[in-house]
Amino acid sequence: KQEVTQIPAALSVPEGENLVLNCSFTDSAIYNLQWFRQDPGKGLTSLLLIQSSQREQTSGRLNASLDKSSGRSTLYIAASQPGDSATYLCAVSGNTPLVFGKGTRLSVIA
Amino acid sequence: DVKVTQSSRYLVKRTGEKVFLECVQDMDHENMFWYRQDPGLGLRLIYFSYDVKMKEKGDIPEGYSVSREKKERFSLILESASTNQTSMYLCASWPTGYRGSPLHFGNGTRLTVT
Repeated sequence: KQEVTQIPAALSVPEGENLVLNCSFTDSAIYNLQWFRQDPGKGLTSLLLIQSSQREQTSGRLNASLDKSSGRSTLYIAASQPGDSATYLCAVSGNTPLVFGKGTRLSVIA
Repeated sequence: DVKVTQSSRYLVKRTGEKVFLECVQDMDHENMFWYRQDPGLGLRLIYFSYDVKMKEKGDIPEGYSVSREKKERFSLILESASTNQTSMYLCASWPTGYRGSPLHFGNGTRLTVT
């Protein structure tokens, strides 16, 4: 059964810092990996999707990488801002619907 | 832009009541999902549907049922609400051939059962 782990569970950084969020998964037979953002009390917003044949995707200050063979993905956030404070979740899809990690709660301090 | 709309942001119900949570999407997606989200447990899949009148159990279907009579609408039903069903419920939709398309979520319904 696919399991997705995100480390750390919470992270607090000063504004302007570059940071990396980690996601690992146990079954490398995936179709894609997605990163989401969730603000308190809200639904999830898709940030980046990496298909299994791809190594990375970029959107603005965000860069996500995928190493399928080792079961790892990272989300890199450049020049963090207080508005980046949220919970970030990764999820993988394979032969079953999306399996989610429990998220990393990020606080960017001004 | 895809829009997934959940009919209520907040609901308060009493134990034993029958509860309907409604979800509508406007992009003709074949696949729709219901998740619940609880602190420390993350998102857990309750049911999903890949076509009208089709449904599949997820990881935690006990105490829930679903209905999909029209493609755009996917309803979650709590036949007899219990306090352990107090949670945030999230609906999502996804097109067939989804490998290159992200999952789209509604804003969630926070249900409290007293």
